Amino acid sequence: GNSVTQMEGPVTLSEEAFLTINCTYTATGYPSLFWYVQYPGEGLQLLLKATKADDKGSNKGFEATYRKETTSFHLEKGSVQVSDSAVYFCALNPLTFGKGTMLLVSP
Amino acid sequence: DAMVIQNPRYQVTQFGKPVTLSCSQTLNHNVMYWYQQKSSQAPKLLFHYYDKDFNNEADTPDNFQSRRPNTSFCFLDIRSPGLGDAAMYLCATSRGDWRAEFRETQYFGPGTRLLVL
Repeated sequence: GNSVTQMEGPVTLSEEAFLTINCTYTATGYPSLFWYVQYPGEGLQLLLKATKADDKGSNKGFEATYRKETTSFHLEKGSVQVSDSAVYFCALNPLTFGKGTMLLVSP
Repeated sequence: DAMVIQNPRYQVTQFGKPVTLSCSQTLNHNVMYWYQQKSSQAPKLLFHYYDKDFNNEADTPDNFQSRRPNTSFCFLDIRSPGLGDAAMYLCATSRGDWRAEFRETQYFGPGTRLLVL
């Protein structure tokens, strides 16, 4: 069956540091890939998505590229802010979520 | 603004006392989902409606039921809540197309946190 594996957190960074959260997947066919963000006490919000190989999703300074050859969809941001502190979920064809990675950014 | 609304945001119930959580949407999406999310875990899909068609996940306990009386509303009924059912319950919607099943983005409500005493 389908599955998503994310790096375990928490990821602790200082403001303006570079962020990478790894995500790899197992699936049949050509799934769509998503990153969702969940702020404390709230529901999930779509951060970005990619629907086919080599697509790059981007939003709010975050980027992720759909790599079919490595079955990966790593999330990156060049300079994180304190307000980026949240839990990030990688998801496959929206029904399969990774376990989430908590990001903590300190001033 | 078009949105997904969940009420209440917090629900307290007693062990074994039936409880209903509600979800409404103004997006006119044909697919609605219910997820259970326990602390520090990924959301777990309980079931979804594709139009009027109900799709139950294989490992969803019988204690959990759902109703969708119309496109806009969907309810989660927990017939006899146990302590293990305390969690955040998330409702989501998407625009589903049988030709591109589930490729569409899901839009989530803020969730209802259920506490079982």
